[in-house]
Amino acid sequence: EAEVAQSPRYKITEKSQAVAFWCDPISGHATLYWYRQILGQGPELLVQFQDESVVDDSQLPKDRFSAERLKGVDSTLKIQPAELGDSAMYLCASSSLNSPLHFGNGTRLTVT
Amino acid sequence: KNEVEQSPQNLTAQEGEFITINCSYSVGISALHWLQQHPGGGIVSLFMLSSGKKKHGRLIATINIQEKHSSLHITASHPRDSAVYICAVRGTGNQFYFGTGTSLTVIP
Repeated sequence: EAEVAQSPRYKITEKSQAVAFWCDPISGHATLYWYRQILGQGPELLVQFQDESVVDDSQLPKDRFSAERLKGVDSTLKIQPAELGDSAMYLCASSSLNSPLHFGNGTRLTVT
Repeated sequence: KNEVEQSPQNLTAQEGEFITINCSYSVGISALHWLQQHPGGGIVSLFMLSSGKKKHGRLIATINIQEKHSSLHITASHPRDSAVYICAVRGTGNQFYFGTGTSLTVIP
């Protein structure tokens, strides 16, 4: 079964450094989502893409976070500079119309 | 304001018990999803439904569109069912709203 690929699986960085996460959605899925999940809580949407266009980035802290999906396929989420409060699980998910939501395994970020 | 409310937040059951997790939502939806997340693991889609009832093994999901309510049932629960179960709804703009999850522990 096709999967959403994410890398890296784990990332430890010092505050003020830059970090980047990569996601490759299931082939053919037009909609790609980046979520942040803090332990014990549900996923929080950071950004939603429809093909290469941003549909919703209202919760993305744009002073430090950026996301792109240049060719409408894979996507990169960047944080610069990282802050202690950014420590969380970053999840990528994809879907197409009338399909279930497929999640990647996530990137666990620890900022020290 | 939470668009999706789940109950209970935490649930402990003895192996073999019948389990019900409830989900209520307040927005217009195109589909409701039940998701499962094991500790330290990724999120897996269990069901996507827009009406009626679906069954997969020991899991059953139902939805009542008029009442904006869904339930996830687990029959003959087993310790491997221990996980967080998340209700999510797909809004009309293709966005998803998530409940905060129900943490289930099944004791042998």
